[in-house]
Amino acid sequence: DQQVKQNSPSLSVQEGRISILNCDYTNSMFDYFLWYKKYPAEGPTFLISISSIKDKNEDGRFTVFLNKSAKHLSLHIVPSQPGDSAVYFCAANAGTASKLTFGTGTRLQVTL
Amino acid sequence: EAGVAQSPRYKIIEKRQSVAFWCNPISGHATLYWYQQILGQGPKLLIQFQNNGVVDDSQLPKDRFSAERLKGVDSTLKIQPAKLEDSAVYLCASSSWEDTEAFFGQGTRLTVV
Repeated sequence: DQQVKQNSPSLSVQEGRISILNCDYTNSMFDYFLWYKKYPAEGPTFLISISSIKDKNEDGRFTVFLNKSAKHLSLHIVPSQPGDSAVYFCAANAGTASKLTFGTGTRLQVTL
Repeated sequence: EAGVAQSPRYKIIEKRQSVAFWCNPISGHATLYWYQQILGQGPKLLIQFQNNGVVDDSQLPKDRFSAERLKGVDSTLKIQPAKLEDSAVYLCASSSWEDTEAFFGQGTRLTVV
């Protein structure tokens, strides 16, 4: 049972444009939603998160939007840079110090 | 602040052999996780510790996998005997009681041949 789904395995975007990565979930008990970035041969690095009581959270070039009624969240990167090329994982958990449930990842490639 | 340390980085073993992975979490983090990431999939939780007690090991194949966290700091994950399908990256992560996010180590890439 895939509780967190990322239906796009890959995305290619030109430098300077907006990258939009999508994620859907099925478990209504999730309290926090997170995005992680992963480079080859490295562990996932936390990027940004959002609480279930909010619908938007911004951090520099990164914005996460949450639509609870649709059980959908998205990560916007504006403007996209070549260094953003990585695999992005959507994850969710039920609160602090609780296990993360991950999606399968979206590979973002930012081209020049 | 030092991050999560894992060793070894890479390991190649034959099926039916045993292997052990080591993790040192961020200092002061009471919660420690072991995840398995198979190629093309997202990380999947194997076991979660709170100090030296197990919180969740529902997805740990207990007939071959074992983990311990003596003294509530370092942790080891063991596979005995290994199967071909155990080939994956094993990620250790830690968090404090007030963190919503977990902090990951670089992982150990295991290849079973």
